[in-house]
Amino acid sequence: DAKTTQPNSMESNEEEPVHLPCNHSTISGTDYIHWYRQLPSQGPEYVIHGLTSNVNNRMASLAIAEDRKSSTLILHRATLRDAAVYYCILKGQSGYALNFGKGTSLLVTP
Amino acid sequence: KAGVTQTPRYLIKTRGQQVTLSCSPISGHRSVSWYQQTPGQGLQFLFEYFSETQRNKGNFPGRFSGRQFSNSRSEMNVSTLELGDSALYLCASSVQTGNTEAFFGQGTRLTVV
Repeated sequence: DAKTTQPNSMESNEEEPVHLPCNHSTISGTDYIHWYRQLPSQGPEYVIHGLTSNVNNRMASLAIAEDRKSSTLILHRATLRDAAVYYCILKGQSGYALNFGKGTSLLVTP
Repeated sequence: KAGVTQTPRYLIKTRGQQVTLSCSPISGHRSVSWYQQTPGQGLQFLFEYFSETQRNKGNFPGRFSGRQFSNSRSEMNVSTLELGDSALYLCASSVQTGNTEAFFGQGTRLTVV
């Protein structure tokens, strides 16, 4: 199971962009990069996923390095509601990840 | 449309007992996955069911089992409960298996005493 490395915590000011990094140097060619976030006392929430190209949706953007060994989740304007633990996980063709890891705890301050 | 529903939300059981947790996926979703979340180990994958068949399985002992019914609803069972089984059990549903968006329920908080 390919592993990911994320910072334990990050802090951002409200209404500023946030760049959440994820390293996955042992990623295989068929692994998809998925991001989920978990707000306190809730189940995880899907954010975005991609394979090779950068991806955008209404919640965020995903920038994937050319060698795919790292990726960055971009929240364009952080709000207080974005304070959560963000998980970067890799899913192979089978479509599951054994462990979500510890994730990055994002603190957003007004 | 309704989200993923897990019942019960909270449960207290005694060591040695067994427990059954239920998950109703989003209408039209045929894949259901189960996860265990603890402060020490984080979020760990238990198993995935698709069209009533177990497709993938994590690294948990045989005490943990599950099944999926023809209406895609799923149950997971833990037998001979141990104190270490105390955790938040989360269910996620997807339209299909593979690399698709998964929608999680709020979980069942199991406490083993």
